[in-house]
Parts: sequence; structure tokens; C-alpha cells
Amino acid sequence: AQKVTQAQTEISVVEKEDVTLDCVYETRDTTYYLFWYKQPPSGELVFLIRRNSFDEQNEISGRYSWNFQKSTSSFNFTITASQVVDSAVYFCALSDLRDDKIIFGKGTRLHILP
Amino acid sequence: EAQVTQNPRYLITVTGKKLTVTCSQNMNHEYMSWYRQDPGLGLRQIYYSMNVEVTDKGDVPEGYKVSRKEKRNFPLILESPSPNQTSLYFCASSKGEWYEQFFGPGTRLTVL
Repeated sequence: AQKVTQAQTEISVVEKEDVTLDCVYETRDTTYYLFWYKQPPSGELVFLIRRNSFDEQNEISGRYSWNFQKSTSSFNFTITASQVVDSAVYFCALSDLRDDKIIFGKGTRLHILP
Repeated sequence: EAQVTQNPRYLITVTGKKLTVTCSQNMNHEYMSWYRQDPGLGLRQIYYSMNVEVTDKGDVPEGYKVSRKEKRNFPLILESPSPNQTSLYFCASSKGEWYEQFFGPGTRLTVL
């Protein structure tokens, strides 16, 4: 069965520190997609990135980077030089070929302290 | 402007009183979903729809109904709401389940 585990329920770091949010997934399919979404305190859900199972290249977008490792079934998200505006709940999600559902992790609440 | 709209944004109701939360998207997306968000449980998919007249259960469908008569609309129906359905509900749309989802602003429902 599909499963997404975000073991870190809540993380607090001081501004300018780097922080990594972990995401571990389970699927029996070889074809699947992984996603990260951000939910700031205002409540809206914002898409950050999509990665398919055949593309293991890491991705960098400004201060954000993603490390996809099929060997450990992980898709971790790193924020470099964190800022207060990065404070949010971050969700990892998975969709595979087996069915048409989308499975989200429970989210990690990130606090960036000034 | 491309968007997903939900109405109402806030709703307080009583047990057993049927209600409908509307969802509409203007992006011609085929895939639409409903989620509920509860503290400590993250986002859980209630129902999804691959296209008009095609709907299927997500992980927590009990107590909910949906319909997809038009591509743009995907209402969520609670025929007999109960207090355990008090939650924050999000509608989302996308080109498909493998694409980024666009979320509505959320509907906060309280069932007394």
C-alpha cells in the first residue's frame, strides 16, 4: 500500500540556519510521483515541487533543494539560510500507478525563530 | 485568474442537517479531489474524480458523497453530518493525479 511518513512533527530553528525536512514513502510501483506542498499560517496550500520516479537528479530552487533517493525511498527537502517567512507546515505527497489516489504525509510544522 | 473556489468558507451546523460544500475550478482540469485536514493527521483524501461522471473513494469516504455532473464543479455532500466531521476541508484540481494540485481556500466546518 502507499504510505508517506513525515516523522518530524514539529521543528524549530533559528533564522539563517539550514533545516532538512524528511519524507519517506512506500509504494510497490516503479512509476510514481512525489510532491511537496507548503501551508503558511494563512492556511492556503501551495505547490513547491513534483518529481517522478525516473528522475533522481536533485533539484535546487533558490534556498530550497530536494534530495530524492530511491535506494532509501526518501525525498527530503532542505531550506538553506532559513527565513521567518519559511515558517509553515510542509507536506510531502505520493501518487503511483496502482490507483488514482494521492497520499499525503501528516506534515511537518516548521518554526523559524527570529 | 486561474483558481479553485469553495463555498462557504465557514459553516457551523448541527448534527443531521444535510449540507453541501461547493467547489468550482476554471482551469478545465480533469482531476478533482476533496480532502479533510485534521490536527496530527495531515491531509486525507475523501473522494476524487478523474472526469465527468467518474468518481471514486479516497481514504476516508465514510459519511460523504460527491458528484461530478460538470467538469468544473465537484460538490461535497454531507447527508447527515456528525461532530466527527468537524474539520477543515479543501477542494483541489489538477490535470491528473500526477500533476501539481491547485487548492481552494478551504472550508472550516463545525458540526455541533
